[in-house]
Amino acid sequence: TQLLEQSPQFLSIQEGENLTVYCNSSSVFSSLQWYRQEPGEGPVLLVTVVTGGEVKKLKRLTFQFGDARKDSSLHITAAQPGDTGLYLCAGETGGFKTIFGAGTRLFVKA
Amino acid sequence: NAGVTQTPKFQVLKTGQSMTLQCAQDMNHNSMYWYRQDPGMGLRLIYYSASEGTTDKGEVPNGYNVSRLNKREFSLRLESAAPSQTSVYFCASSGQAGDTIYFGEGSWLTVV
Repeated sequence: TQLLEQSPQFLSIQEGENLTVYCNSSSVFSSLQWYRQEPGEGPVLLVTVVTGGEVKKLKRLTFQFGDARKDSSLHITAAQPGDTGLYLCAGETGGFKTIFGAGTRLFVKA
Repeated sequence: NAGVTQTPKFQVLKTGQSMTLQCAQDMNHNSMYWYRQDPGMGLRLIYYSASEGTTDKGEVPNGYNVSRLNKREFSLRLESAAPSQTSVYFCASSGQAGDTIYFGEGSWLTVV
């Protein structure tokens, strides 16, 4: 069974702090996606990384795909209350069975 | 823009009752999915439809059936609801395998 483990599960930080969340697996993925989910809504795609070692930036968010395409990280610089939410990583194995991690629940206090 | 629309938003069922969750997408996507989301377990695929006229089992299909009514609509049916099916259900769609997946807003189902 392919698994994606996310850490930490919960994170509560002050506005302005930096943070990194991790997504790890023993499996190789053809691509990896990061989603953000707000309460009462469905997940919304933030980014897709495809190439091993790839780094993508989205404003204050930096996403990195591991060289071996088994892991990924999301770094947020100077977190803001609007960053609060559940961050999910999802690995593509080919076909239709995308594997989702359980998520990191982030709370940014003003 | 509507995107993926699913109904109902909330439902309480008694054990043994049946119900159907409806889903429609207006993005002309080929592929549609039903996921359930439980605390600490992430999103798990119940069934998917790669294209109109086809359906396949996902990771947790037991207790569910699906119908791809046409290209726009993909319904999920619980024939005899059980408390273990208490969850948040998400319908989703994508152009094809590996494309961005767009999710609906979720349906909160409680089985008592």
